[in-house]
Amino acid sequence: VQLVESGGDLVQPGGSLRLSCAVSGFTFSSYWMTWVRLAPGKGLELVANIDQYGGTKRYGDSLKGRFTVSRDNAEDSVYLQMDSLRAEDTAVYYCVRGGSWLDYWGQGTLVTVSP
Amino acid sequence: EIVLTQSPGTLSLPPGERATLSCRASQRVSASFLAWYQQRPGQAPRLLIYDASTRATDTPDRFSGSGSGTDFTLIISRLEPEDFAVYYCQQYDISPWTFGQGTKVEIK
Repeated sequence: VQLVESGGDLVQPGGSLRLSCAVSGFTFSSYWMTWVRLAPGKGLELVANIDQYGGTKRYGDSLKGRFTVSRDNAEDSVYLQMDSLRAEDTAVYYCVRGGSWLDYWGQGTLVTVSP
Repeated sequence: EIVLTQSPGTLSLPPGERATLSCRASQRVSASFLAWYQQRPGQAPRLLIYDASTRATDTPDRFSGSGSGTDFTLIISRLEPEDFAVYYCQQYDISPWTFGQGTKVEIK
């Protein structure tokens, strides 16, 4: 099982970024997928998760509609579109398999929001 | 949302000792829908325990989870050098899933 995130970068406040996660080693279309973040000096925080079909999506309360999760089962990939970014969104973003307990994690991609 | 409070914030123990970590929920977690994760510095988190007491694949048997309702516990029976890390609990009963703030287990 492998999950590889990409797309993390330095972005200015108010900007946008799209993270991608390519998976291999399991039947992607059979699993919920989740994004979790770890901000400096803080604990883990659920960002979003999405069911196997892309029909059910859930988000962390603090995101207030700024982030959108999606997936492409033909490409074995899950995505996170992040808009109206704020300094407090600075974090390592992890792509994770699962929609309840989270059993396989990528190594993470760093998003830095700063002028 | 369910707030998970972990205690203590930091646990200082020598190798070989027993570690007891607590996770308390602000409301009842149904069917023990609670997991524990370990995060070593510079690494991604790793699933240790799910459904409050079921060890994940490759989790050593010195790790055990217990509890129900609002009070959950992770015990490490004898600390090995690789066990010094941060531990998080997570509930997956009520959306949005939430995590505790973490307990750091450090070498004394």
